[in-house]
Amino acid sequence: AQSVTQPDIHITVSEGASLELRCNYSYGATPYLFWYVQSPGQGLQLLLKYFSGDTLVQGIKGFEAEFKRSQSSFNLRKPSVHWSDAAEYFCAVGAIHNNDMRFGAGTRLTVKP
Amino acid sequence: DTGVSQDPRHKITKRGQNVTFRCDPISEHNRLYWYRQTLGQGPEFLTYFQNEAQLEKSRLLSDRFSAERPKGSFSTLEIQRTEQGDSAMYLCASSLLQSLGYNEQFFGPGTRLTVL
Repeated sequence: AQSVTQPDIHITVSEGASLELRCNYSYGATPYLFWYVQSPGQGLQLLLKYFSGDTLVQGIKGFEAEFKRSQSSFNLRKPSVHWSDAAEYFCAVGAIHNNDMRFGAGTRLTVKP
Repeated sequence: DTGVSQDPRHKITKRGQNVTFRCDPISEHNRLYWYRQTLGQGPEFLTYFQNEAQLEKSRLLSDRFSAERPKGSFSTLEIQRTEQGDSAMYLCASSLLQSLGYNEQFFGPGTRLTVL
Protein backbone atom coordinates (compact mmCIF):
# COMPACT_ATOMS: atom_id res chain seq x y z
CA ALA A 1 0.00 0.00 0.00
CA GLN A 2 1.06 3.53 -0.59
CA SER A 3 2.34 5.80 2.19
CA VAL A 4 3.68 9.32 2.58
CA THR A 5 6.24 10.86 4.92
CA GLN A 6 6.56 14.56 5.56
CA PRO A 7 9.70 14.86 7.68
CA ASP A 8 9.10 18.42 8.84
CA ILE A 9 6.26 18.95 11.30
CA HIS A 10 6.69 22.72 11.47
CA ILE A 11 8.65 25.19 9.37
CA THR A 12 9.08 28.93 9.92
CA VAL A 13 10.24 31.22 7.12
CA SER A 14 10.44 34.95 6.74
CA GLU A 15 8.11 36.68 4.31
CA GLY A 16 9.82 36.95 0.95
CA ALA A 17 12.13 34.01 1.60
CA SER A 18 12.08 30.85 -0.45
CA LEU A 19 10.32 27.72 0.76
CA GLU A 20 10.78 23.99 0.28
CA LEU A 21 8.54 21.41 1.93
CA ARG A 22 9.69 17.83 1.77
CA CYS A 23 7.63 14.80 0.86
CA ASN A 24 8.73 11.19 0.44
CA TYR A 25 6.39 8.50 -0.75
CA SER A 26 6.26 4.75 -0.96
CA TYR A 27 4.33 3.11 -3.76
CA GLY A 28 5.00 0.12 -5.94
CA ALA A 29 3.82 1.56 -9.21
CA THR A 30 3.92 4.99 -10.74
CA PRO A 31 2.23 7.20 -8.19
CA TYR A 32 -0.24 9.98 -8.50
CA LEU A 33 1.12 12.71 -6.23
CA PHE A 34 -0.60 15.75 -4.80
CA TRP A 35 -0.02 18.72 -2.56
CA TYR A 36 -2.93 20.21 -0.65
CA VAL A 37 -3.13 23.26 1.59
CA GLN A 38 -5.44 23.61 4.58
CA SER A 39 -6.09 26.87 6.36
CA PRO A 40 -7.41 26.76 9.94
CA GLY A 41 -10.98 25.53 10.08
CA GLN A 42 -11.10 24.95 6.33
CA GLY A 43 -11.12 22.00 4.01
CA LEU A 44 -8.27 21.05 1.74
CA GLN A 45 -7.44 22.90 -1.45
CA LEU A 46 -5.44 21.23 -4.20
CA LEU A 47 -2.23 23.13 -5.00
CA LEU A 48 -0.86 20.85 -7.70
CA LYS A 49 -0.68 17.28 -8.91
CA TYR A 50 1.63 14.93 -10.79
CA PHE A 51 0.65 11.94 -12.90
CA SER A 52 3.25 11.60 -15.60
CA GLY A 53 5.34 13.58 -18.05
CA ASP A 54 7.29 16.66 -17.04
CA THR A 55 8.64 16.09 -13.55
CA LEU A 56 8.38 19.77 -12.63
CA VAL A 57 4.75 20.74 -12.14
CA GLN A 58 3.32 24.17 -11.63
CA GLY A 59 0.41 24.82 -9.34
CA ILE A 60 -1.70 27.64 -8.04
CA LYS A 61 -0.50 30.50 -5.85
CA GLY A 62 3.01 30.36 -7.33
CA PHE A 63 3.84 26.88 -6.00
CA GLU A 64 5.73 24.22 -7.91
CA ALA A 65 6.84 20.68 -7.12
CA GLU A 66 9.41 18.33 -8.58
CA PHE A 67 8.95 14.58 -8.86
CA LYS A 68 12.19 12.64 -8.37
CA ARG A 69 11.61 8.94 -8.86
CA SER A 70 15.14 7.97 -7.80
CA GLN A 71 14.59 9.67 -4.44
CA SER A 72 10.88 8.84 -4.10
CA SER A 73 10.33 12.50 -3.42
CA PHE A 74 7.86 15.19 -4.43
CA ASN A 75 9.03 18.37 -2.74
CA LEU A 76 6.99 21.56 -2.84
CA ARG A 77 8.69 24.89 -3.51
CA LYS A 78 7.88 28.55 -3.69
CA PRO A 79 10.46 31.22 -4.52
CA SER A 80 8.99 33.96 -2.33
CA VAL A 81 6.61 33.28 0.51
CA HIS A 82 3.73 35.60 1.37
CA TRP A 83 2.16 35.96 4.82
CA SER A 84 -1.04 34.47 3.41
CA ASP A 85 0.79 31.20 2.72
CA ALA A 86 0.79 30.37 6.44
CA ALA A 87 -1.21 27.14 6.65
CA GLU A 88 -0.89 23.36 6.91
CA TYR A 89 0.44 21.59 3.84
CA PHE A 90 -0.27 17.96 3.05
CA CYS A 91 1.39 15.71 0.53
CA ALA A 92 -0.67 12.77 -0.72
CA VAL A 93 -0.19 9.73 -2.94
CA GLY A 94 -2.97 7.99 -4.79
CA ALA A 95 -3.61 4.97 -6.91
CA ILE A 96 -5.49 5.06 -10.18
CA HIS A 97 -8.65 7.08 -9.76
CA ASN A 98 -7.33 7.82 -6.24
CA ASN A 99 -10.20 6.28 -4.36
CA ASP A 100 -7.74 5.44 -1.58
CA MET A 101 -5.55 8.49 -1.26
CA ARG A 102 -2.95 8.44 1.52
CA PHE A 103 -1.90 11.68 3.15
CA GLY A 104 1.21 12.61 5.07
CA ALA A 105 0.93 14.02 8.56
CA GLY A 106 1.36 17.54 7.25
CA THR A 107 3.81 20.41 7.64
CA ARG A 108 2.68 23.55 9.39
CA LEU A 109 4.10 26.68 7.81
CA THR A 110 4.55 29.85 9.84
CA VAL A 111 5.52 33.05 8.02
CA LYS A 112 7.42 35.71 9.97
CA PRO A 113 6.90 39.34 8.97
CA ASP B 1 -21.17 25.91 -8.20
CA THR B 2 -21.24 26.15 -4.43
CA GLY B 3 -18.68 23.42 -3.80
CA VAL B 4 -18.91 20.62 -1.27
CA SER B 5 -20.86 21.52 1.84
CA GLN B 6 -21.01 19.78 5.20
CA ASP B 7 -23.41 20.13 8.06
CA PRO B 8 -22.99 20.76 10.91
CA ARG B 9 -19.62 22.46 11.00
CA HIS B 10 -19.20 21.70 14.69
CA LYS B 11 -20.78 19.06 16.91
CA ILE B 12 -20.27 18.55 20.63
CA THR B 13 -21.76 15.42 22.11
CA LYS B 14 -21.51 13.26 25.18
CA ARG B 15 -19.92 9.86 25.13
CA GLY B 16 -22.42 7.19 24.19
CA GLN B 17 -24.64 9.43 22.08
CA ASN B 18 -25.24 8.92 18.37
CA VAL B 19 -24.32 11.62 15.86
CA THR B 20 -25.03 12.07 12.17
CA PHE B 21 -23.22 14.29 9.69
CA ARG B 22 -24.33 15.30 6.25
CA CYS B 23 -22.33 15.98 3.11
CA ASP B 24 -23.65 17.58 -0.07
CA PRO B 25 -21.23 17.03 -2.95
CA ILE B 26 -20.81 19.10 -6.07
CA SER B 27 -23.96 18.38 -8.01
CA GLU B 28 -22.63 16.47 -11.01
CA HIS B 29 -20.06 14.46 -9.05
CA ASN B 30 -20.70 10.74 -8.88
CA ARG B 31 -18.04 9.83 -6.30
CA LEU B 32 -18.16 10.82 -2.67
CA TYR B 33 -15.50 10.16 -0.03
CA TRP B 34 -15.32 10.38 3.75
CA TYR B 35 -12.09 11.02 5.63
CA ARG B 36 -11.23 11.45 9.29
CA GLN B 37 -8.56 13.87 10.40
CA THR B 38 -7.27 13.84 13.97
CA LEU B 39 -5.19 16.61 15.46
CA GLY B 40 -1.73 16.80 13.98
CA GLN B 41 -2.43 14.20 11.32
CA GLY B 42 -3.39 14.10 7.71
CA PRO B 43 -6.80 12.91 6.58
CA GLU B 44 -7.37 9.15 6.75
CA PHE B 45 -9.63 7.48 4.22
CA LEU B 46 -12.82 6.00 5.66
CA THR B 47 -15.06 5.06 2.78
CA TYR B 48 -16.27 6.09 -0.64
CA PHE B 49 -19.34 5.83 -2.82
CA GLN B 50 -19.83 5.69 -6.53
CA ASN B 51 -23.35 6.93 -7.04
CA GLU B 52 -25.32 5.16 -4.31
CA ALA B 53 -23.02 2.14 -4.01
CA GLN B 54 -20.52 2.00 -1.17
CA LEU B 55 -17.48 0.50 -2.86
CA GLU B 56 -14.80 0.50 -0.22
CA LYS B 57 -14.52 0.77 3.53
CA SER B 58 -11.39 1.30 5.58
CA ARG B 59 -10.50 -0.80 8.62
CA LEU B 60 -10.90 2.45 10.53
CA LEU B 61 -14.63 2.24 9.94
CA SER B 62 -15.71 0.14 12.91
CA ASP B 63 -19.21 -1.31 13.19
CA ARG B 64 -20.24 1.82 15.08
CA PHE B 65 -19.81 3.81 11.89
CA SER B 66 -22.21 3.68 8.98
CA ALA B 67 -22.43 5.76 5.85
CA GLU B 68 -25.16 6.04 3.28
CA ARG B 69 -25.77 7.77 0.01
CA PRO B 70 -29.34 6.70 -0.71
CA LYS B 71 -30.03 8.54 -3.94
CA GLY B 72 -26.51 9.04 -5.13
CA SER B 73 -26.52 12.68 -4.11
CA PHE B 74 -25.95 13.71 -0.48
CA SER B 75 -24.39 11.35 2.02
CA THR B 76 -24.67 10.83 5.77
CA LEU B 77 -22.11 9.46 8.18
CA GLU B 78 -23.47 8.17 11.46
CA ILE B 79 -21.46 7.27 14.52
CA GLN B 80 -23.28 5.25 17.16
CA ARG B 81 -22.29 5.12 20.82
CA THR B 82 -19.63 7.76 20.38
CA GLU B 83 -16.33 7.43 22.20
CA GLN B 84 -13.80 10.11 23.08
CA GLY B 85 -11.48 8.65 20.48
CA ASP B 86 -14.00 9.60 17.80
CA SER B 87 -13.21 13.28 18.36
CA ALA B 88 -11.84 14.48 15.04
CA MET B 89 -12.57 16.47 11.92
CA TYR B 90 -14.68 14.51 9.46
CA LEU B 91 -14.04 15.58 5.89
CA CYS B 92 -16.12 14.87 2.85
CA ALA B 93 -14.88 15.10 -0.73
CA SER B 94 -16.43 14.51 -4.12
CA SER B 95 -15.13 13.85 -7.59
CA LEU B 96 -16.36 13.12 -11.09
CA LEU B 97 -15.30 9.69 -12.25
CA GLN B 98 -14.15 9.80 -15.82
CA SER B 99 -13.11 6.90 -17.99
CA LEU B 100 -9.66 8.27 -18.44
CA GLY B 101 -7.46 10.54 -16.45
CA TYR B 102 -7.47 11.89 -13.00
CA ASN B 103 -10.44 12.48 -10.75
CA GLU B 104 -9.67 15.48 -8.58
CA GLN B 105 -11.26 15.32 -5.17
CA PHE B 106 -12.85 18.54 -3.97
CA PHE B 107 -13.06 18.81 -0.20
CA GLY B 108 -15.70 20.30 2.02
CA PRO B 109 -14.92 22.40 5.11
CA GLY B 110 -15.37 19.44 7.45
CA THR B 111 -17.40 18.70 10.57
CA ARG B 112 -15.47 18.96 13.81
CA LEU B 113 -16.72 16.44 16.36
CA THR B 114 -15.92 16.76 20.04
CA VAL B 115 -16.95 13.89 22.31
CA LEU B 116 -17.00 14.79 26.00
